[in-house]
Amino acid sequence: QSALTQPASVSGSPGQSITISCTGSSSDVGTYDHVSWYQHHPGRAPKVLIYDVSNRPSGISHRFSGSKSGMTASLTISGLQAEDEAYYYCNSYSSDTTHYVFGSGTKVVVL
Amino acid sequence: EAQVVESGGTVVQPGGSLRLSCAASGFNFADHAMHWVRQPPGKGLEWVSVINWNGAVTYYADSVTGRFTTSRDNDKNSLYLQINSLGPEDTALYYCARGGSRPYFMDVWGSGTTVTVSS
Repeated sequence: QSALTQPASVSGSPGQSITISCTGSSSDVGTYDHVSWYQHHPGRAPKVLIYDVSNRPSGISHRFSGSKSGMTASLTISGLQAEDEAYYYCNSYSSDTTHYVFGSGTKVVVL
Repeated sequence: EAQVVESGGTVVQPGGSLRLSCAASGFNFADHAMHWVRQPPGKGLEWVSVINWNGAVTYYADSVTGRFTTSRDNDKNSLYLQINSLGPEDTALYYCARGGSRPYFMDVWGSGTTVTVSS
């Protein structure tokens, strides 16, 4: 099974906005609106930021937003803060035998 | 507060077996699907398995099908992962995660338990 494709690293200065892409296929991102995004600080439990492409769970900052176009989903972080420096993973439901597939992961660096 | 705590990780020889556990608290365990996700050292997250609310339906990643078995005991608020025929590729931090209010995401995660396959 192939992971969804994410850039290895994205960087930005405090206050800026950055966007992380997540490219899949017609078996997952391209067909289903079941894309979720997770923030992971090493050594801590991952945290869900977005589910079903663009929905934020209760308690998640409005600085995090999600969207999708075709076979690519995106996570935008607005007003970048030092605490946003972490790894970010997308996940999608898949009609393949994989059922669920994570992205390759993106390290966000706050300059 | 909803919480899940994994246990059972250890060092195991290649070809060996192991059972991981996940204890849930602070929510109605039987209302939720549950997932296992793992992270090999230096690599990203890999989805492993999901089990529905009553244990009747399970799905697995291709890489573990036939070797891993997920089960649950709703009376004990516990999730389990039986791992057989362990290989070096199974060395990872294993996370337990609660399925969200809509079933296609994971909304409560534990801190993980480490499985190391080594002779």
